[in-house]
Amino acid sequence: NAGVMQNPRHLVRRRGQEARLRCSPMKGHSHVYWYRQLPEEGLKFMVYLQKENIIDESGMPKERFSAEFPKEGPSILRIQQVVRGDSAAYFCASSRTSGRYQETQYFGPGTRLLVL
Amino acid sequence: QQQVKQSPQSLIVQKGGISIINCAYENTAFDYFPWYQQFPGKGPALLIAIRPDVSEKKEGRFTISFNKSAKQFSLHIMDSQPGDSATYFCAASMPQAGTALIFGKGTTLSVSS
Repeated sequence: NAGVMQNPRHLVRRRGQEARLRCSPMKGHSHVYWYRQLPEEGLKFMVYLQKENIIDESGMPKERFSAEFPKEGPSILRIQQVVRGDSAAYFCASSRTSGRYQETQYFGPGTRLLVL
Repeated sequence: QQQVKQSPQSLIVQKGGISIINCAYENTAFDYFPWYQQFPGKGPALLIAIRPDVSEKKEGRFTISFNKSAKQFSLHIMDSQPGDSATYFCAASMPQAGTALIFGKGTTLSVSS
C-alpha cells in the first residue's frame, strides 16, 4: 500500500525557469493538498484540490503559481519564472473522500526546490 | 486569528525523561488538532490527533492534553528515546472535510542518551 508519492525529490532551477512538481495521492484518496515549508518554518497551506477541481487556493501566490489535479494522472504544482524566494520544500498531502468531517492528511516525502 | 503558536522552538531531554511541547490557538472554530513528527529529509507523519470533545488522548508513549477554555493543547512524550529526536509540529483545522491544516512553527526535539 504505497503512500503519497512525490517527484522529483530534489529539483534545481535557475531564476526564470519553470518548476513542475508532481504528486500521486494514496490509493483511494481523492483530496490533494499542497503545502510549502520554508527553512525554520512550519508548513504553510497553498492549495486544495479534488479531481479536476480547485477547491481552495487561498494560500497560493496570485502570480506564477498554478495547480491542477486532472482526471487521470498526478496532481501538478507549477511555478513559472522561479525566483530565489521560491526555494523551499513543497509537500503534498492526500486524504480520502470523506463525509462531513476532517480526515487525516497523509504527507509525501516532499520536493526540495533550489533556485540558483 | 488563524495562527497556531508553538513552544518551545527547541528542546533537549535526557533519555527516559518526559518531553512536553505546547501549542495555543485563537480561532475557536478549530475542531481538529493533530500532531505531526518529521525527520530530516522526510515528510511529516501523523503522530496523534484529538478533537475537543475529549481532554486527553493517549497512544503508547504519546499523550495529547487539550484545554478548550484556555485554547491550548500539548504533546507529552513519556520515556523519551533517542529515536524520538525529530521536529514536531502541532496543527489545527476547521471541522469540515477538506480544510487546510494550520501549522505551528515546529519544535526540534533532541533526546540525549
